[in-house]
Amino acid sequence: AQKITQTQPGMFVQEKEAVTLDCTYDTSDQSYGLFWYKQPSSGEMIFLIYQGSYDEQNATEGRYSLNFQKARKSANLVISASQLGDSAMYFCAMRGDTGRRALTFGSGTRLQVQP
Amino acid sequence: DVKVTQSSRYLVKRTGEKVFLECVQDMDHENMFWYRQDPGLGLRLIYFSYDVKMKEKGDIPEGYSVSREKKERFSLILESASTNQTSMYLCASSSPTTDLSGYGYTFGSGTRLTVV
Repeated sequence: AQKITQTQPGMFVQEKEAVTLDCTYDTSDQSYGLFWYKQPSSGEMIFLIYQGSYDEQNATEGRYSLNFQKARKSANLVISASQLGDSAMYFCAMRGDTGRRALTFGSGTRLQVQP
Repeated sequence: DVKVTQSSRYLVKRTGEKVFLECVQDMDHENMFWYRQDPGLGLRLIYFSYDVKMKEKGDIPEGYSVSREKKERFSLILESASTNQTSMYLCASSSPTTDLSGYGYTFGSGTRLTVV
């Protein structure tokens, strides 16, 4: 079984600053994938970034990067140069390579970007 | 543009009603999932299916059932709706060949169900 923990229910950041959203995970699988999704107020789930457990380098996608620390079982999302449009809910999720093929989600972090 | 379509964006139903939430995907994905989303709890898995006529319970199946008669359609059924089933419901699909990759999962826009 997998478990995702997001300990920050809400975060504030000033526009143009960087912000880190925390995510820790627990799994007994040797191979797994870690995902971050953004959910704006419209409700759609927007995929942001993916990290495979055997990827040697941290994933980056534009302003998003994933700070992957395997030994600590953490997969924090870093958003650089925050924009007002980044205000949304952010979910960390994972899937292992054994068992069911469904994503397991954390409780989410609501990010508010202030002008 | 590939998509997962949920038939209703908003639904209001009465306690005790039988409720059907429909989800259709056009990507020929084998896997389909139903989640419910509640504040502070994130998304929790209700049921999932790996193939037609196949279903498996997720973490919170009580009070729900599902149907998958065709590959593209996965229905969530509330046999007798209760107020504690008021929630946002999200459908998703994936292919077993790509689901351990970034874009492996596609989500619908969600159905916000209110049971009164």
